Amino acid sequence: GNSVTQMEGPVTLSEEAFLTINCTYTATGYPSLFWYVQYPGEGLQLLLKATKADDKGSNKGFEATYRKETTSFHLEKGSVQVSDSAVYFCALSGTGYQAGTALIFGKGTTLSVSS
Amino acid sequence: DAGVIQSPRHEVTEMGQEVTLRCKPISGHDYLFWYRQTMMRGLELLIYFNNNVPIDDSGMPEDRFSAKMPNASFSTLKIQPSEPRDSAVYFCASSLASPGLNTGELFFGEGSRLTVL
Repeated sequence: GNSVTQMEGPVTLSEEAFLTINCTYTATGYPSLFWYVQYPGEGLQLLLKATKADDKGSNKGFEATYRKETTSFHLEKGSVQVSDSAVYFCALSGTGYQAGTALIFGKGTTLSVSS
Repeated sequence: DAGVIQSPRHEVTEMGQEVTLRCKPISGHDYLFWYRQTMMRGLELLIYFNNNVPIDDSGMPEDRFSAKMPNASFSTLKIQPSEPRDSAVYFCASSLASPGLNTGELFFGEGSRLTVL
């Protein structure tokens, strides 16, 4: 079945630093890819998504490009802020016989940004 | 508009007791999901419903767990009897369309934090 692997955390950065959180996936067919964010004490919320190869999802200064050749969907932000401190989850949709099923989430990467 | 509403937000109970978690999805959403989040295992899908019908419960840990959706606006997740290893944050999420078909965004509630002593 489809699966997703994201880098272990925690990631600790100073304000205005560049952020990369790696995510790779294994899938048959062509899944959609997502990044969800969980702020302290809250549920997850969609940050961005890409539905086909070479698509770039972007939101709130974050970007991720769907790379089929490397099966990756790395999350990047050029200049992080303290308010970006959260847990970030990479996720993908089912394909083939798993199409129409629930999303598959990675384990999450905790980001902590200090001023 | 109200989002996904879960109750209780926090529950502390003793081993062996019954626990019932409740969820009200966003009105009009056809899909409802129950997830469990722990430090060790991350976010795990327990069960999900489509139009009130359970579609996949393969993630339910064991017979002590059960979930129901008697109508489109209410679902429960019950643990009986509870054990300390059930301690986790339980999230309910709803979606207008199947996220697996690339058309649906999941909307999460704020979670129910369960502690079993």
